[in-house]
Amino acid sequence: AQKITQTQPGMFVQEKEAVTLDCTYDTSDQSYGLFWYKQPSSGEMIFLIYQGSYDEQNATEGRYSLNFQKARKSANLVISASQLGDSAMYFCAMSHFRYQAGTALIFGKGTTLSVSS
Amino acid sequence: NAGVTQTPKFRVLKTGQSMTLLCAQDMNHEYMYWYRQDPGMGLRLIHYSVGEGTTAKGEVPDGYNVSRLKKQNFLLGLESAAPSQTSVYFCASSYGPREGGELFFGEGSRLTVL
Repeated sequence: AQKITQTQPGMFVQEKEAVTLDCTYDTSDQSYGLFWYKQPSSGEMIFLIYQGSYDEQNATEGRYSLNFQKARKSANLVISASQLGDSAMYFCAMSHFRYQAGTALIFGKGTTLSVSS
Repeated sequence: NAGVTQTPKFRVLKTGQSMTLLCAQDMNHEYMYWYRQDPGMGLRLIHYSVGEGTTAKGEVPDGYNVSRLKKQNFLLGLESAAPSQTSVYFCASSYGPREGGELFFGEGSRLTVL
């Protein structure tokens, strides 16, 4: 069954340090997408980055990069030079194609990142 | 530019009451989703729709019904609310996640069932 696993309930990092948030997935699809979203304490969901399963290069968006290792089925988010404003909940998500039902997007349980000065 | 709008934002229900959450999007998106968010559980997919007139069950569909009569609207109904349905509900829409289309989320609706 399709599943997203985020094993780190909480992570702590100091400002300006890099941090990696882990995400592993399980799917039988050949074509799928992987996403990361950020949810600050205010509650809104903010899209960060996307990686397609056939993309050969790791996706990058500013300070965010996605370390995609297909054989290991992992899609870790790397945040370089952490800032106080990065403190939030981070969710990994995966597209899941269901025959005759279209494509759903399922989420992991999230990792809370706390950045200190 | 409204994006995705959910109404109501807050609601308190008694066990057994019914209610409908409305989601409206103005981006002409084909896909729409309803998720619930509970502490420690992340976002769990309730139902989704890949186009007008279509719906499909997600991970936790029991106790909920949905309808997509118009492309821009996706309704989530609770026929007989239970305390276990106390949660924050998020609606989202997209062009299509399989093509890398990001989800656009509403602000969430906090539902409490007493």
